[in-house]
Amino acid sequence: EAGVTQSPTHLIKTRGQQATLRCSPISGHTSVYWYQQALGLGLQFLLWYDEGEERNRGNFPPRFSGRQFPNYSSELNVNALELEDSALYLCASSLSGLAGSTGELFFGEGSRLTVL
Amino acid sequence: QKEVEQDPGPLSVPEGAIVSLNCTYSNSAFQYFMWYRQYSRKGPELLMYTYSSGNKEDGRFTAQVDKSSKYISLFIRDSQPSDSATYLCAMSSNTGFQKLVFGTGTRLLVSP
Repeated sequence: EAGVTQSPTHLIKTRGQQATLRCSPISGHTSVYWYQQALGLGLQFLLWYDEGEERNRGNFPPRFSGRQFPNYSSELNVNALELEDSALYLCASSLSGLAGSTGELFFGEGSRLTVL
Repeated sequence: QKEVEQDPGPLSVPEGAIVSLNCTYSNSAFQYFMWYRQYSRKGPELLMYTYSSGNKEDGRFTAQVDKSSKYISLFIRDSQPSDSATYLCAMSSNTGFQKLVFGTGTRLLVSP
């Protein structure tokens, strides 16, 4: 069974540009999470989608946005890129992230974004 | 002050050693505690999951939670070179795995 897949693996952009990252969850998983892993900061929670709806977001500015499609895949968009947005962006999926669920998160290998 | 503090290492040990990895936290609302292992160029994978205080054992791995001290530990017995990875602690005050707060990770190197 395929795991969580992310694309692209690497992405290089310049300041002010927009970046789009994509994630396909494990088949049957309805929840998708996005985390940012910047050097020295650990994983920071960005966004959580379930059944097509944004359920929660972390302490990131509105230029970080995303969506979940009917097939449960997800897209993360980062507008007006800044140098400090350079990081590994990890997507994870679970069976359900709704209250009462203890579904384990399965992570993809990440998309490394470099902003020059 | 970060919500979760973790020594970044690296921690270098010989094969067969007992490894102790630790995290401290400040948010008393945390109830769910996890340890993830992340190999180079890979995503994190869940190793251990503990609710509230106490110990949990799984093979060579033991997770301990001391909520009174806001301190969690992961012990690895008979460490192997294949255990060389970055170990991340993570915590949540929600039900289950929502909105995890991660430590920065400790890099472990086990030499043969």
